[in-house]
Amino acid sequence: AQKVTQAQTEISVVEKEDVTLDCVYETRDTTYYLFWYKQPPSGELVFLIRRNSFDEQNEISGRYSWNFQKSTSSFNFTITASQVVDSAVYFCALSDTGRRALTFGSGTRLQVQP
Amino acid sequence: SAVISQKPSRDICQRGTSLTIQCQVDSQVTMMFWYRQQPGQSLTLIATANQGSEATYESGFVIDKFPISRPNLTFSTLTVSNMSPEDSSIYLCSVEAKQREGYFGPGTRLTVL
Repeated sequence: AQKVTQAQTEISVVEKEDVTLDCVYETRDTTYYLFWYKQPPSGELVFLIRRNSFDEQNEISGRYSWNFQKSTSSFNFTITASQVVDSAVYFCALSDTGRRALTFGSGTRLQVQP
Repeated sequence: SAVISQKPSRDICQRGTSLTIQCQVDSQVTMMFWYRQQPGQSLTLIATANQGSEATYESGFVIDKFPISRPNLTFSTLTVSNMSPEDSSIYLCSVEAKQREGYFGPGTRLTVL
């Protein structure tokens, strides 16, 4: 069975601080896919990144970076120099060969104060 | 990426009535998914809808309550039947892209009085 755990319910930072959102996953498959989504107050879900289980290379995109570690079953997301526009709920999600649909974590609400 | 539209964007309904939500995709897709997001909660899969076959429902969701149609590769509907206040949620359709990422419609915000 799949499971995604986001232990941080809510995080509050001041603008320009760095913040890391944690994600721990469980799956029995050796082939799986991990995702991060952003849900701003407007409600739409914005796809941020996809990683497959064979690609442990970390990725950086502007102020965003992702750290995938199979040894600890974690896929953490770091925002560098946070901005007010980063305020949103962030979801980590998982799919594998047995389940094409996404299994979502409970989400982390990030508040960036000016 | 796929462009997904949903109708209606929001609705307020009376208890005991039904609402049909439409999902339109700008390209042909094999798999479509319907999710529910209850207030302040994460997304939960309701069912998977493949064209030409019956929808597959997750535990806790039944066809009588959430009938789904998938008449072609670009369209699907979800009906929320015999609604109660507990059905107040955001309902989202989603499609799977080539790299397995999911793209989501803007959602339908349903309030049941």
